[in-house]
Amino acid sequence: DTGVSQDPRHKITKRGQNVTFRCDPISEHNRLYWYRQTLGQGPEFLTYFQNEAQLEKSRLLSDRFSAERPKGSFSTLEIQRTEQGDSAMYLCASSYLAGDTDEQFFGPGTRLTVL
Amino acid sequence: GENVEQHPSTLSVQEGDSAVIKCTYSDSASNYFPWYKQELGKRPQLIIDIRSNVGEKKDQRIAVTLNKTAKHFSLHITETQPEDSAVYFCAASIRSGTYKYIFGTGTRLKVLA
Repeated sequence: DTGVSQDPRHKITKRGQNVTFRCDPISEHNRLYWYRQTLGQGPEFLTYFQNEAQLEKSRLLSDRFSAERPKGSFSTLEIQRTEQGDSAMYLCASSYLAGDTDEQFFGPGTRLTVL
Repeated sequence: GENVEQHPSTLSVQEGDSAVIKCTYSDSASNYFPWYKQELGKRPQLIIDIRSNVGEKKDQRIAVTLNKTAKHFSLHITETQPEDSAVYFCAASIRSGTYKYIFGTGTRLKVLA
């Protein structure tokens, strides 16, 4: 599968613990997005990278959340001091803006459960 | 702020019938409207999209219409099949800056055989 990959696919943690998720975008894609999806809702935008630069962060992204894309390739999303309200599916998407094409390709997501 | 409303939240149709899902967006600067299909436990996948310079786009059994004045856009699926059963999300985006998507809340479509 040469699409967007995410690791792990599932994570169960206790409240207060830190967790880190990884996203590997499609190799030539320079744009990378993180979204959060809760049950029965559509994905909500969290943050955006163009190459290694983080250019936008949603107000949903509290100071417990940090994201990086150090070399403009893979990205990590870290949640510190997890809370039960952080339980959700975390989706990564990537795209390459070229002409009229800017489709975002989604990964399979990391499902986080905070106990 | 930016918002996309989607209706209905659930939709059941008989196989072979048509299904229509409607969305309304708030940001008049939005100019790109993708539709994603998400099957249970799988990633969202783009099924069709439309840009604001056209009013309708069709791809086999799927069509999307856009009314910029009313800020409405709709997904039409004809001759529905059981494999069309999934959750469908509309989204709105501005084709500049981040190009982030603002998603609707989703419609669970069930096609009854």
